[in-house]
Parts: sequence; structure tokens; C-alpha cells
Amino acid sequence: AQSVAQPEDQVNVAEGNPLTVKCTYSVSGNPYLFWYVQYPNRGLQFLLKYITGDNLVKGSYGFEAEFNKSQTSFHLKKPSALVSDSALYFCAVRSQTGANNLFFGTGTRLTVIP
Amino acid sequence: DSGVTQTPKHLITATGQRVTLRCSPRSGDLSVYWYQQSLDQGLQFLIQYYNGEERAKGNILERFSAQQFPDLHSELNLSSLELGDSALYFCASSKREGHTGELFFGEGSRLTVL
Repeated sequence: AQSVAQPEDQVNVAEGNPLTVKCTYSVSGNPYLFWYVQYPNRGLQFLLKYITGDNLVKGSYGFEAEFNKSQTSFHLKKPSALVSDSALYFCAVRSQTGANNLFFGTGTRLTVIP
Repeated sequence: DSGVTQTPKHLITATGQRVTLRCSPRSGDLSVYWYQQSLDQGLQFLIQYYNGEERAKGNILERFSAQQFPDLHSELNLSSLELGDSALYFCASSKREGHTGELFFGEGSRLTVL
């Protein structure tokens, strides 16, 4: 079975400070891991993905994520938060050998305080 | 703009009724996925089609059905609607099976059942 846990429903961070949104996963075999962002009344937008190789992946809007196999984690990070980063963030996983659909976490609402 | 088109954007109906949600995938994408986003359950995978054939099934109720047509657009049919079916329904698409890439999401159809 595949699953994703986002332990924090809400993350607040001051503008200019670094941000981290946490994600842990469970999957059979090796994972493909994704981060998506959802702005109000919009669909999900792709931010970044881990497929293989370098554990640190860089994505859109200055975001990056670190894959940690031993901790089964894929935390989303950004060195300096912007007010415009405020949104709902979803982590997703699928097995490299399984079905193509993604399993999503419940989402973390990020609020960047000016 | 992801290139995935969903109609209608908003739909209000009564319990017991039937509705159809429509999705046009990105040009060239053969796979279509349906997800349900509700406040209490996050993003739930419903069903996937690839080139007209059902490929994977998730937490889709028996009252719900879907199909993908020869022109690759897809429809999600929801019948005998209940209050709890009120949610945002997303369609996503991807090029092919066995891919490592992301899914591209439409803006969703918001269903309200009164």
C-alpha cells in the first residue's frame, strides 16, 4: 500500500525566513515523489519531483526538496519565504513499478506573514 | 494554464440527482485521472483511463462511473447524489503509462449538493 503523511496541517513563517513543509511516505519498492501547490480556487500546480539520482531536487519558484531514503522523507524547503508562497502544498508518491496514479497527502497550508 | 480543461466549473444540484463532469486532457496526453478533493478527506484518487481503457481504480463509489472517449476526453458521472458528494472534482492528464513525469491538473469542478 502507498501512503503519504504530512504531519502539519498548518505552517506559519515570517517573510524572508526559511520554510520547511514536511512529508513522509510509504511505498513498495522505490518511489517517485512529487510536490504540488494549490492556490485558492485553482487546480494543483507541479513544483518538483524526485525520480532518481541527486537527493536534492530543485523546482519552480525557488523551492527545493530533499529525498531521504532512510527516513522515507521528502521535505519541501525554500531559503527565503515570500508572502506569495502562501498556499496549500501537497506531497504525492507513486511506486516506480506500480500504477501511475499518485497518492496525495492531506496537504499543509503555508502562511507567510509579512 | 495546465492545458487540461474541465467543465462545468461550478454545479449546484439536489440530492438524488445525477450530474456529468467533463474533462479534456492536454493535447497528446493519453491518460486521464479523476480525483475528489473534500475538506475532511484531502485528495482522493477515483479512477484512471488510458487511451479509452480503465487502468486503475481507487476509492470510487458504485454510484459513480467514468469513461474515456475515442477523442480522449473523459466524463465522470455521479448519480443518486448525496450531501457528502459535495466536493471539488479534479481531472489530471499525463502522456503515457510507465512515465516518470508529473500529472497536469485542471482547475476542477466544484459540486454542491443541497
